[in-house]
Amino acid sequence: ETGVTQSPTHLIKTRGQQVTLRCSSQSGHNTVSWYQQALGQGPQFIFQYYREEENGRGNFPPRFSGLQFPNYSSELNVNALELDDSALYLCASSLAGQGHEAFFGQGTRLTVV
Amino acid sequence: DAKTTQPPSMDCAEGRAANLPCNHSTISGNEYVYWYRQIHSQGPQYIIHGLKNNETNEMASLIITEDRKSSTLILPHATLRDTAVYYCIVRPTRSGGSNYKLTFGKGTLLTVNP
Repeated sequence: ETGVTQSPTHLIKTRGQQVTLRCSSQSGHNTVSWYQQALGQGPQFIFQYYREEENGRGNFPPRFSGLQFPNYSSELNVNALELDDSALYLCASSLAGQGHEAFFGQGTRLTVV
Repeated sequence: DAKTTQPPSMDCAEGRAANLPCNHSTISGNEYVYWYRQIHSQGPQYIIHGLKNNETNEMASLIITEDRKSSTLILPHATLRDTAVYYCIVRPTRSGGSNYKLTFGKGTLLTVNP
């Protein structure tokens, strides 16, 4: 158990819809990152939030957006869902600073039909 | 654009040591080597990380070569529950106190056999 919780665990959406995924970070952690993992691939970095601001982004379009709240929890929002957005979405929390490990939640399995 | 190279798969007998290699020949002086593993359909689990010295914790040992161009993760007594994909990641550090991303490759599927 890492203390990072994600909700929901599974979700089915229709193409074109919007989805919000949630993540509660581990106690004491102030940085949250989101990853997308397609079947058979390693996780791909979407973006990271620190002090409620995005401070790093991977190669994902603007329809992927996020928020971090004062309690360091976070949301990932995806607009205009496409079939290729079907994946496991992972949240990782960590403490800012060099050399700190990131702890992952169990993920949200999103299926777009 | 992962900066590491790992064999796609390895087998190990239960109770024996599992030695998982990783090449990171372009590693920079301020980059750490991290190891994570992912058991099927679960989130990645942190195992260990190091900068230049060998490291050991309750899960594993990390041996980094003197030139830092490669490393080996050692699971001293592998069990069936250690069957997973193991990712070796070189992680850049940033100034200013903020973390940065983990770049996952395809990892090594370790299968521990009874």
